[in-house]
Amino acid sequence: QLQLQQSGPGLVKPSETLSLTCTVSGVSISSGSHYWGWIRQPPGKGLEWIARIYNSGSTYYNPSLKSRVTISVDTSKNQLSLEVRSVTAADTAVYYCASSPANTHGLDVWGQGTTVTVSS
Amino acid sequence: DIHMTQSPSSLSASVGDRVTITCRASQTISKYLNWYQQKPGRAPNLLIYTASSLQSGVPSRFSGSGSGTDFTLTISSLQPEDFATYYCQQSYSTPWTFGQGTKVEI
Repeated sequence: QLQLQQSGPGLVKPSETLSLTCTVSGVSISSGSHYWGWIRQPPGKGLEWIARIYNSGSTYYNPSLKSRVTISVDTSKNQLSLEVRSVTAADTAVYYCASSPANTHGLDVWGQGTTVTVSS
Repeated sequence: DIHMTQSPSSLSASVGDRVTITCRASQTISKYLNWYQQKPGRAPNLLIYTASSLQSGVPSRFSGSGSGTDFTLTISSLQPEDFATYYCQQSYSTPWTFGQGTKVEI
């Protein structure tokens, strides 16, 4: 059964880099069966799609964040990662990793979420 | 980007009510529309994918319809555990985008 377990710091200083990891179990991240992605939700607000990766190399980013974000996978650890550079208070949010089957695109498995606060 | 608009933004309903939420895309997205339920402090949960396919494990009182630009999520008989916020999301083209959410309250 596919499961996603997130890890990473809950507090990041302004102008620094936010780094999150999502460990995938139950499916090989390089199998080509799923898209792997990140979504965030600012406090009290809706959902914002950040990025996705497929087949370990095909990446797509939200244009609003593209210049500051990198999504990647470590196939040896079966992990998905997200970096957001030069963070500001506007990047404060709950960050989720999620997977979607390549044939349906519905985000059917989610990580538990990581609350990230940007503050000095 | 494809803009997704949900209506209403919130609604009040009672247990047993039939509830309908609509989602409109700013351009055609064929059938690539998904619906999620989110409860406070929890990750979203996929209910419906590709407009009308019921996700495994989701009760049959949830159903979806539509294609092109106009879509509907229907809860046939509202249960106490259904009070939550519902989001639509298009997966037709990147960036994938979500509606603003519909909060279903008592």
